[in-house]
Amino acid sequence: KAGVTQTPRYLIKTRGQQVTLSCSPISGHRSVSWYQQTPGQGLQFLFEYFSETQRNKGNFPGRFSGRQFSNSRSEMNVSTLELGDSALYLCASSPEGSTDTQYFGPGTRLTVL
Amino acid sequence: AQSVTQPDIHITVSEGASLELRCNYSYGATPYLFWYVQSPGQGLQLLLKYFSGDTLVQGIKGFEAEFKRSQSSFNLRKPSVHWSDAAEYFCAVGAGNYKLTFGKGTLLTVNP
Repeated sequence: KAGVTQTPRYLIKTRGQQVTLSCSPISGHRSVSWYQQTPGQGLQFLFEYFSETQRNKGNFPGRFSGRQFSNSRSEMNVSTLELGDSALYLCASSPEGSTDTQYFGPGTRLTVL
Repeated sequence: AQSVTQPDIHITVSEGASLELRCNYSYGATPYLFWYVQSPGQGLQLLLKYFSGDTLVQGIKGFEAEFKRSQSSFNLRKPSVHWSDAAEYFCAVGAGNYKLTFGKGTLLTVNP
């Protein structure tokens, strides 16, 4: 089975721009979660989607948003980029969420200049 | 709310030596516990998990971890470390609310 895929792997943007990251879960997995990883804050939960519905959300500003499509693929969007948004954004998938094990993709490295 | 503490930011061991990485969690009910490993520039790879049952769990790459409810701990161990084990290790707790809460990680350096 193919693993979680994330595109693009690397992105460079400037302050004020917006960015969209994509995640394709493992085949058959319906839950997709997003995490932000930075040296200072570590790994922080952004949000989780299941059947196109957001079931949980972390403590991030409204500039961070996401969505899930009927094929379980997910995107996250960050608007009005700030320097502090530079991070590795990790996507994880699981069969149903809740207590399931989450399997992570390789991440998208976002650099904001 | 759940939380995880990994007391050791950086550990250095010699190749062939034993390893123990510490993890303490805070959660009122029975937690779901995980250890993940991350190589530079990579995503997280699952090493092992504890949901219930036997408190000593075996994982991939020769790792094991022991759940101790009385100490709120889930320490990761390996009897003999290989140079390829050098990476960052993350302990995580799940509370059935669709998210994982991670510790800050322990960076492992392996000396030849």
